[in-house]
Amino acid sequence: TQLLEQSPQFLSIQEGENLTVYCNSSSVFSSLQWYRQEPGEGPVLLVTVVTGGEVKKLKRLTFQFGDARKDSSLHITAAQPGDTGLYLCAGAGMWNTDKLIFGTGTRLQVFP
Amino acid sequence: EPEVTQTPSHQVTQMGQEVILRCVPISNHLYFYWYRQILGQKVEFLVSFYNNEISEKSEIFDDQFSVERPDGSNFTLKIRSTKLEDSAMYFCASSEWLGGRGYNEQFFGPGTRLTVL
Repeated sequence: TQLLEQSPQFLSIQEGENLTVYCNSSSVFSSLQWYRQEPGEGPVLLVTVVTGGEVKKLKRLTFQFGDARKDSSLHITAAQPGDTGLYLCAGAGMWNTDKLIFGTGTRLQVFP
Repeated sequence: EPEVTQTPSHQVTQMGQEVILRCVPISNHLYFYWYRQILGQKVEFLVSFYNNEISEKSEIFDDQFSVERPDGSNFTLKIRSTKLEDSAMYFCASSEWLGGRGYNEQFFGPGTRLTVL
């Protein structure tokens, strides 16, 4: 059974601080997506990482895929209250129709 | 920007009743999925659908569940006889034909909150 563990589960920080969220598995994924989910809404895709070691930046967010494609991290620089939300990682298998395996989620609260 | 839409946004039903949740995937997408999220828990895969047939289903997707693409735009999830434990957010997702890109990027709808009383 493929599992994705995210840490930390909860994170409360002050505006301007930096943070890193981790997504770990013992399984290899062909790609990994990061989503953000607001209460009562669907996950919104932030980024997809595909190649081992790949780094992608989205403004103040930096995403990295582990060399072995088993883990990933999300680093936010100078967090803002607008970054508050639930961050989810989701891994995909090798085939086009493969399901996504979702992580346990990291709930981030950024205080002004 | 194209998006996945879902109706209704909230469905309340009595235990034992049938419900149909509707989704309109992004128009050029060929792969369709249903996921659910019980309150406070992680998003779980239910079923994937391609070329008018189920590609994969989870153990949650038992005989009470079915999916259909009745026309060129809608994708539905039917629960024949709802149970209390079916109460959850149900998300539809779609992805396009990947061709040479080789990875599966799924876009999610806003969800239907199903409440079974």
